This record gives sequence, C-alpha cells and structure tokens, in this order.
Amino acid sequence: AQKITQTQPGMFVQEKEAVTLDCTYDTSDQSYGLFWYKQPSSGEMIFLIYQGSYDEQNATEGRYSLNFQKARKSANLVISASQLGDSAMYFCAMREGGYSTLTFGKGTMLLVSP
Amino acid sequence: DGGITQSPKYLFRKEGQNVTLSCEQNLNHDAMYWYRQDPGQGLRLIYYSQIVNDFQKGDIAEGYSVSREKKESFPLTVTSAQKNPTAFYLCASSELLTVGEQFFGPGTRLTVL
Repeated sequence: AQKITQTQPGMFVQEKEAVTLDCTYDTSDQSYGLFWYKQPSSGEMIFLIYQGSYDEQNATEGRYSLNFQKARKSANLVISASQLGDSAMYFCAMREGGYSTLTFGKGTMLLVSP
Repeated sequence: DGGITQSPKYLFRKEGQNVTLSCEQNLNHDAMYWYRQDPGQGLRLIYYSQIVNDFQKGDIAEGYSVSREKKESFPLTVTSAQKNPTAFYLCASSELLTVGEQFFGPGTRLTVL
C-alpha cells in the first residue's frame, strides 16, 4: 500500500481564489511528521509547511495552511489567494517514527490562471 | 549564503560509463540524501547518510554507490549496472534533532545516450 497518496494529478484555480490539494497517508506509528514541498518548473524543491502528529493546531505559514485530520489520516494543503507564481508541482511527504527519511507522494500539478 | 550545491546542472553520458554527481552543503547538517525523480513521479530515495563514513540504502539503491568522507559532501556515482539511469537527481540535507525538514539542491538532470 502507498504510504502517501495524492489523488489529484492536476488542479486548476483562478488567481486570488483558494485551492485545496489533497494528501492522505498510511502509517502505524504514533509519532510522525507531514511535509509539503513545492517544485517549480526549474526543478528545485521548496519546503512549504510542516505538521507534527502531536501538534494540536493546524500548521500555517503565510498563505499556506495544513488541514490536518488525524482520524482520517489526511493532511491537505490549503493555499489562499492563489498567485500566478503558485503554478508548480506540489508534493506531500511523511517522516515516520525516529527516521529522518521522507516518503513522497506522486504530486499534484497546480496551474493558476489569470 | 548557506545552501546546497549540485553540479553540473545537466550531464550527458554514454551508456556503460560510470558518472559521479556532486553534492555539497554548507548548512552544517548531519544528514544528507539522494533522490531520483522520473517524469510525472514523486521522489524516490536512493541513499542517505546520517554521519560521516556511514550511509544506508534507500528504496532504489541498486546500480548506485555513494561515499561520505566529509560532512559537507555526499557524491553519488551512477554505475553502468543501473539499467535506466536517465532521470533528475536531487540531493538534500537536514538536521537530525529538529523537525527535520529537508533542504534541497537545484538538481542534476542526467541523460544517458
């Protein structure tokens, strides 16, 4: 079974609208961390936001927020007020237990139109 | 500026040749990682290292080798045993005792002809 599932291969959103990118995960560990990265067409991976499994509040970083629903094992990324520069691939990733390695999903391509 | 450098950005090799991809970081991170990315796919872990002179295989280590002689450097060799080496290779580093977000280099696009 896949540890990280991103079911939306592509998403379209108009500039200034909000968009939600879905991510579900599978782990039996009690301690884990969830990450979102952005990959523009240049190829670099940019860290956006982190949510720890024990964090009671949803993580927020500027226009990015993480809708963490532990019981449903989902960690959706919400981008508010989309900008043209948000067009990129977005990857959800998980770190389990005491390991430092990340497992990545297959990504969602987001296109923001004027 | 602190960061991770990978060189070169683009690399072309003939089939059957070994090739080494460079990765250097000046973030003083203990851990370093190599990932492979194929078109339309996520990142897959090749090798990682949490301390100098020690490294572990990731999910797709066959056909690759690494070394970690210095904390700052983690070169990846793509050997002739790797059956399909054409891909985008990303190096990353992280601290071990914090949230552990990984910081990535700009990547090397390897094409084997």
